[in-house]
Amino acid sequence: DGGITQSPKYLFRKEGQNVTLSCEQNLNHDAMYWYRQDPGQGLRLIYYSQIVNDFQKGDIAEGYSVSREKKESFPLTVTSAQKNPTAFYLCASSIQGAGEQYFGPGTRLTVT
Amino acid sequence: GNSVTQMEGPVTLSEEAFLTINCTYTATGYPSLFWYVQYPGEGLQLLLKATKADDKGSNKGFEATYRKETTSFHLEKGSVQVSDSAVYFCALKMISNYQLIWGAGTKLIIKP
Repeated sequence: DGGITQSPKYLFRKEGQNVTLSCEQNLNHDAMYWYRQDPGQGLRLIYYSQIVNDFQKGDIAEGYSVSREKKESFPLTVTSAQKNPTAFYLCASSIQGAGEQYFGPGTRLTVT
Repeated sequence: GNSVTQMEGPVTLSEEAFLTINCTYTATGYPSLFWYVQYPGEGLQLLLKATKADDKGSNKGFEATYRKETTSFHLEKGSVQVSDSAVYFCALKMISNYQLIWGAGTKLIIKP
């Protein structure tokens, strides 16, 4: 079955710690995206990557970092510089340039 | 800039009622338009899309027509079910841009 996996589903961290969220896809998509979703709000783009070894900042990249060393993988690191890291994080992928994005099940991060 | 505006929720209906969720957009040019659905605790799924004026997207009993004259893409369903309870997002994409522009989402609650 093709799809996107995100792990873990729930993640708890202490303030001041960096944490890395996993995103893997086997859809052979070139493009991958990270979004943040806060309660009752829409999606905000953190980073996106159109091709391996290249990525661009989205609207709220501060305090986050990514890498794209493999086509299948696009991990997101939430650093201690992110002031309000508690949120629901969604990873997506698409054919390059397409509007149809395929989403993973999300990771709910809680930082205390 | 380009933007999407959705009606505020929550929208609460009884089972078998008629559903309309309004979506209007502002765009310089001719975007593709999308509706995505997010069930509780999950990622988003593409529900339907339309790529040019007067196109009608449809899926699972939901429909939306791309109206250029009113810059709208309202989501409709003739008879909703409890299982349709979810958050619905309207989005647009310009050919020249990699990103989707998202509405804030509309929560739909269907009561038995």
